[in-house]
Amino acid sequence: QKEVEQNSGPLSVPEGAIASLNCTYSDRGSQSFFWYRQYSGKSPELIMFIYSNGDKEDGRFTAQLNKASQYVSLLIRDSQPSDSATYLCAALGGSYIPTFGRGTSLIVHP
Amino acid sequence: EPEVTQTPSHQVTQMGQEVILRCVPISNHLYFYWYRQILGQKVEFLVSFYNNEISEKSEIFDDQFSVERPDGSNFTLKIRSTKLEDSAMYFCARFPRQVRDYTFGSGTRLTVV
Repeated sequence: QKEVEQNSGPLSVPEGAIASLNCTYSDRGSQSFFWYRQYSGKSPELIMFIYSNGDKEDGRFTAQLNKASQYVSLLIRDSQPSDSATYLCAALGGSYIPTFGRGTSLIVHP
Repeated sequence: EPEVTQTPSHQVTQMGQEVILRCVPISNHLYFYWYRQILGQKVEFLVSFYNNEISEKSEIFDDQFSVERPDGSNFTLKIRSTKLEDSAMYFCARFPRQVRDYTFGSGTRLTVV
């Protein structure tokens, strides 16, 4: 059974701080990983994709992947109230069907 | 704004009724997927569709569900006899040519009463 685990939160950070979101996965065959942002009642919005060990940066977002530890993280620098949402981690194996975690709720307070 | 439009955005139906959810993707997409998300739960895979055939389906996708691409562009999910537990957000997703472009449609909120 492929599992992707995330702390449901909520994670509360002050505006301007770094938010750190974590995700672990069980399937060692997973090759690629996604981070989606989901506002309440809306569809998931792709914000990061990573497949190589190490860091990948895109604007205020940095995704980190450690395949040996089966661990993916997302850092959001200079957090804004508009970043308040649920962040979904997903792992993709050979079937091209991502397995999703339950998501971590992030609250950025002014 | 998602590149894949889903209609309707919200549908309320009575238990036992049939519903058809529609996804209008941009052309040249290879794979299409349907997912559902019960309120507060994970995004769950239902079915994948490639070259006008079902490629894979999950345990959730039982005989009550069917998928079609009736006119070569729209992509539909039909639930024949809805149950209360079918109440959820339903998303289609497209996977064109690069894994990094795995994106979701705008979603349909289905409420079964």
